[in-house]
Amino acid sequence: DTEVTQTPKHLVMGMTNKKSLKCEQHMGHRAMYWYKQKAKKPPELMFVYSYEKLSINESVPSRFSPECPNSSLLNLHLHALQPEDSALYLCASSQDGGDSSYNSPLHFGNGTRLTVT
Amino acid sequence: GEDVEQSLFLSVREGDSSVINCTYTDSSSTYLYWYKQEPGAGLQLLTYIFSNMDMKQDQRLTVLLNKKDKHLSLRIADTQTGDSAIYFCAVLYGGATNKLIFGTGTLLAVQP
Repeated sequence: DTEVTQTPKHLVMGMTNKKSLKCEQHMGHRAMYWYKQKAKKPPELMFVYSYEKLSINESVPSRFSPECPNSSLLNLHLHALQPEDSALYLCASSQDGGDSSYNSPLHFGNGTRLTVT
Repeated sequence: GEDVEQSLFLSVREGDSSVINCTYTDSSSTYLYWYKQEPGAGLQLLTYIFSNMDMKQDQRLTVLLNKKDKHLSLRIADTQTGDSAIYFCAVLYGGATNKLIFGTGTLLAVQP
């Protein structure tokens, strides 16, 4: 069982819809991540939050908007998506917030499978 | 830049050992990881090795790291049908940010 919980598991949305993906962890981790994974491809980093501040944005289009309300929660707000945005969206967390010499492993949730119609 | 490569497919018989290989380009890695992904699921962390280690063993899993050649391998002893999945190596570039770069993934098929 994963200790990173993502909801919903599946989401179908139209190109004019607004929806949100949610991620929660209670391991006391201070870094949280969003990855996007297309079929038969490796996950690609989208965003990194460290101590609730956005530290990495991998040139992600503005139709994806991350939010970290507190150290346990991470949201990804979706608006005006395109069909090519259909993918598995994975959330991860790690103990280290990125500002020390110890870099801890990332623990992943089971993902939200998003289909844009 | 960071580039992490794996062979796409490996087929073994149940009970045999499997060896999955990974090469990377950037030598400033800190930790190197192996993740397993079953169909329709997220990523399960299997094991990891720090870049100043050569080998790590964890039950049926053995990780070997050749830092000079930038080569990482995962050996699964006594492979079972439940080991069938995609295996990703991932290289962590540390410092101010935790940037984890994934390999292309290897599909392991275990034949009964």
